[in-house]
Amino acid sequence: EVQLVESGGDLVQPGGSLRLSCAASGFTFSSYSMNWVRQTPGKGLEWISYIGGGGHPIYYADSVKGRFTISRDNAKNSLFLQMDSLRAEDTAVYFCARDFSWELDYWGQGTLVTVSS
Amino acid sequence: DVVMTQTPLSSPVTLGQPASISCRSSQSLLRSDGITYLSWLQQRPGQPPRLLIYKISNRFPGVPDRFSGSGAGTDFTLKISRVEAEDVGVYYCIHATQFPHPWTFGQGTKVEIK
Repeated sequence: EVQLVESGGDLVQPGGSLRLSCAASGFTFSSYSMNWVRQTPGKGLEWISYIGGGGHPIYYADSVKGRFTISRDNAKNSLFLQMDSLRAEDTAVYFCARDFSWELDYWGQGTLVTVSS
Repeated sequence: DVVMTQTPLSSPVTLGQPASISCRSSQSLLRSDGITYLSWLQQRPGQPPRLLIYKISNRFPGVPDRFSGSGAGTDFTLKISRVEAEDVGVYYCIHATQFPHPWTFGQGTKVEIK
């Protein structure tokens, strides 16, 4: 059974940093591209980053480019999102999602990031 | 960038009755490879999104056959033939385009029981 479990969400002050993790199981992790997608009440679902199965290529949404860094450790079946220079508008639930041939076929439960002073 | 517009935003439905959700894109979703990557996600209350339909009309494994998808070009529809209580939630259309901005979501349609 495919499972994706996010962790690392927290309350952080504007300008601060946070690192999210996504632990994968039930499939050959290195064979799949992975993504981070976030959800806010106001903007709905927003794709924010992609990483290929071998660690490349990497893409970011304009809203996070230069501030967020996606990475993965295939030996540990884990996906990461380093979030720096956080802003109030980054407040959201962050999901990791598997990419199967351009379909986001499995999603984690999500982890809540709150940026507030 | 492609804009995905769903209607209605809210759909109160009687149990056992059909429901229909429309998703319209600002430009054709047919990619140069000849494939239209238009999918539907279901998000039940308190749950993450779940893939229901992919490539317009294909049900993801485990999805009941009361769900069906159709459409082409810029107009797509998700239909629930007979709404059940477990179908309550928000439904999103999602389009996969090319990099560097691969996925675009509709704003969501809330299905609730009357």
